[in-house]
Amino acid sequence: SQQGEEDPQALSIQEGENATMNCSYKTSINNLQWYRQNSGRGLVHLILIRSNEREKHSGRLRVTLDTSKKSSSLLITASRAADTASYFCAPILTGGGNKLTFGTGTQLKVEL
Amino acid sequence: GAVVSQHPSRVICKSGTSVKIECRSLDFQATTMFWYRQFPKQSLMLMATSNEGSKATYEQGVEKDKFLINHASLTLSTLTVTSAHPEDSSFYICSASTAAGKAQETQYFGPGTRLLVL
Repeated sequence: SQQGEEDPQALSIQEGENATMNCSYKTSINNLQWYRQNSGRGLVHLILIRSNEREKHSGRLRVTLDTSKKSSSLLITASRAADTASYFCAPILTGGGNKLTFGTGTQLKVEL
Repeated sequence: GAVVSQHPSRVICKSGTSVKIECRSLDFQATTMFWYRQFPKQSLMLMATSNEGSKATYEQGVEKDKFLINHASLTLSTLTVTSAHPEDSSFYICSASTAAGKAQETQYFGPGTRLLVL
């Protein structure tokens, strides 16, 4: 499979804490994207990081990419209850057009 | 901007009937639309990619005669589940992207359609 694989599968934290999710993939990529899915809803695009970038920020989100290890991480700082959702990484493979392949995601639960 | 809608949001049908799901890009022209299905607590699985005005490209294992996709305009794609059976019950999600350079890298997802076949 060439999809991204997220780790951990489930994460439960207290509001205000940071949440870190990891993603590993197997082949060369053009870029890697992170998406959020609230229960029973569609996906929301969070951030895109290109293969020549190492770190990217967007609000409380910080994404890193290590192409030598074929891994990426998503950090959510100062988490809120509203951050409770499933998070998916989707690597765009080199030569794969813009086709997204998803892993099973990390289910994040932020408790008050 | 970049809003994608799906209709219906939920549908229940009898086994053997056909169900049509619409996916619309509301404020941009979607040259490419994607159809996914998702089983409970599982990942999204890409079913097919459709480009406006041409035939859809189906992923391995997806029956094109079972899941008919039409992308007749730059704002509308439809997925028809023909002769639906209980095992077709799932959450179907579409996404859309534009063709303009790097903008095509981002897909905008609809809210999904939950299909239950009795």
